[in-house]
Amino acid sequence: DAGVIQSPRHEVTEMGQEVTLRCKPISGHNSLFWYRQTMMRGLELLIYFNNNVPIDDSGMPEDRFSAKMPNASFSTLKIQPSEPRDSAVYFCASRARTTITGELFFGEGSRLTVL
Amino acid sequence: AQSVTQPDIHITVSEGASLELRCNYSYGATPYLFWYVQSPGQGLQLLLKYFSGDTLVQGIKGFEAEFKRSQSSFNLRKPSVHWSDAAEYFCAVGANTGNQFYFGTGTSLTVIP
Repeated sequence: DAGVIQSPRHEVTEMGQEVTLRCKPISGHNSLFWYRQTMMRGLELLIYFNNNVPIDDSGMPEDRFSAKMPNASFSTLKIQPSEPRDSAVYFCASRARTTITGELFFGEGSRLTVL
Repeated sequence: AQSVTQPDIHITVSEGASLELRCNYSYGATPYLFWYVQSPGQGLQLLLKYFSGDTLVQGIKGFEAEFKRSQSSFNLRKPSVHWSDAAEYFCAVGANTGNQFYFGTGTSLTVIP
């Protein structure tokens, strides 16, 4: 079975440029999470979707960050304009609608470097 | 407030030695507890989970964890560590719905030959 698929795996860009990270959740999963991981702050939840609807975006750092989920099989996280402090690994995770325990399944992450 | 504490930032063990990684949680309802492992450059992989029943749960790669409600702990153990176990380990607590999923800060494991 295909897991959570993220692209790109690595992105290097210059300050001020727009960055779009993509995620394809596991088929049949109805919840999707975007996390950011840094050495200083660990894993931070950015936004959570349920049935394609954003439920909680309180973790989004600022207006430069936006996320969409146009359908059940695709989500994007956009940073515009990007800044060096946005450098991090961004993870997408999904969860099945029928799971008892609610564990998350993670993608391999997108490592973003903003110069 | 909901939280997860992993008191050990970094642990070094010899290959073949036993391992215990500590995890304490604070959660207002019945906790669903998880351990994840992250190898360098990889995503988080679920090792094991607990939600009810036997308080000693078995996971993949020979890991086990014991839920102790009285101590609010969910420590991860392995009787004999392999070099390939070197990774970052995260404890998490959550509910089975919603976005209530809280991660600890992780424990980095180094295995020496």
